[in-house]
Amino acid sequence: SNDLTQPPSVSVSPGQTARITCSGDKLRNEYASWYQQKPGQSPVLVVFQDTKRPSGIPERFSGSNSGNTATLTISGTQPMDEADYYCQAWDTSTASYVFGPGTKLTVL
Amino acid sequence: EVQLAESGGDLVQPGGSLRLSCAASGFGFSIYSMNWVRQAPGEGPEWVSYISSSGKTIHYADSVKGRFTISRDNAKNSLYLQMDSLRAEDTAVYYCARDLGSGTSPLAQNYWGQGTLVTVSS
Repeated sequence: SNDLTQPPSVSVSPGQTARITCSGDKLRNEYASWYQQKPGQSPVLVVFQDTKRPSGIPERFSGSNSGNTATLTISGTQPMDEADYYCQAWDTSTASYVFGPGTKLTVL
Repeated sequence: EVQLAESGGDLVQPGGSLRLSCAASGFGFSIYSMNWVRQAPGEGPEWVSYISSSGKTIHYADSVKGRFTISRDNAKNSLYLQMDSLRAEDTAVYYCARDLGSGTSPLAQNYWGQGTLVTVSS
């Protein structure tokens, strides 16, 4: 079973704010990371340790984690942000990474 | 520039074996932990295995434990995945990915290769 849950899809208009959630009990004690994947491409890390952005990732991408829910927020969403987004956490109890099922972000 | 280049993917029969390789360049390979992550057609990514920078700490997903073996050669800047007793459900693109964490603390994967396709079918 997948221990992390995400909405299958989120839609947003260009320039608006998109929020993608990831829920699971392990998020109470573990950091969340977020990956963006466009068709035919490898995943790209956009947020790690709940709130940190790797170098080169635009400031419009931000993350938060409260209780058992992590949230990826994309402010001023652009058409180029249309992609699948996956959350991930390292599960210390099982010594394994777990991915969420993914959320398809549509910008229309 | 960080580069990760996977190779070794192929069509293999169920029960067969395959060895994947990942050639790393553009960074100090020996100081980073590494991962293998796979993605079946039309599905999301699934983490497969982790190895620390020294190779002394190794973790596997339950789905491959006992069948797959991760290893590295820091002198050759290379990561490997030996896959035995392959099953149809192992069919996927396999990615080599560098971990952000140092030592033995996994954190996230901040660099990924382009992947190599493994197809298990008779």
